[in-house]
Amino acid sequence: GQNIDQPTEMTATEGAIVQINCTYQTSGFNGLFWYQQHAGEAPTFLSYNVLDGLEEKGRFSSFLSRSKGYSYLLLKELQMKDSASYLCAVRDRRDDKIIFGKGTRLHILP
Amino acid sequence: EADIYQTPRYLVIGTGKKITLECSQTMGHDKMYWYQQDPGMELHLIHYSYGVNSTEKGDLSSESTVSRIRTEHFPLTLESARPSHTSQYLCASSETGQGGDTQYFGPGTRLTVL
Repeated sequence: GQNIDQPTEMTATEGAIVQINCTYQTSGFNGLFWYQQHAGEAPTFLSYNVLDGLEEKGRFSSFLSRSKGYSYLLLKELQMKDSASYLCAVRDRRDDKIIFGKGTRLHILP
Repeated sequence: EADIYQTPRYLVIGTGKKITLECSQTMGHDKMYWYQQDPGMELHLIHYSYGVNSTEKGDLSSESTVSRIRTEHFPLTLESARPSHTSQYLCASSETGQGGDTQYFGPGTRLTVL
């Protein structure tokens, strides 16, 4: 089976940097995704990592270490609109299904 | 990014009614999914389809049924709605091999059963 752990809530200040960690356990890892979800809305895709290393996309970066079963999402120059839940999701090679973590609710303070 | 649509966006209905939630995507994606999500809670996969005439149940037991007669259309039906079905239903689609099968979500249907 799979298990995904990420912090339930985090708080950061506008303009700062925040790192949201995700650890996972799976018997057939085949990719990791990060999604952003504002309250009451659908998740929107942020990033995809399948190889070790850092993927940068504007203010957002995502890192993966397959040997450690670990990923993080880095958000720079935080804006109030970044207040949302951030979902870590892992794809299993055996059945191709994507399992979502419970999400980290990020609060941005002015 | 996929264009994926869901109707209705909001539905309030009485117990025992039959309902169908519509989901359509215009990107020709081969895979489609239905998730259920309660407020502040995680996404649960309830149905998925890897192609026309192919449907499977997800990890969360659901009394709903789905069909995939056309690539672009993946409706979800509840034969007899109950208050326990009150939730948000999210449809998603992906294309095999594109960005690791990145899923793109529709706006969701918020269902309330009285």
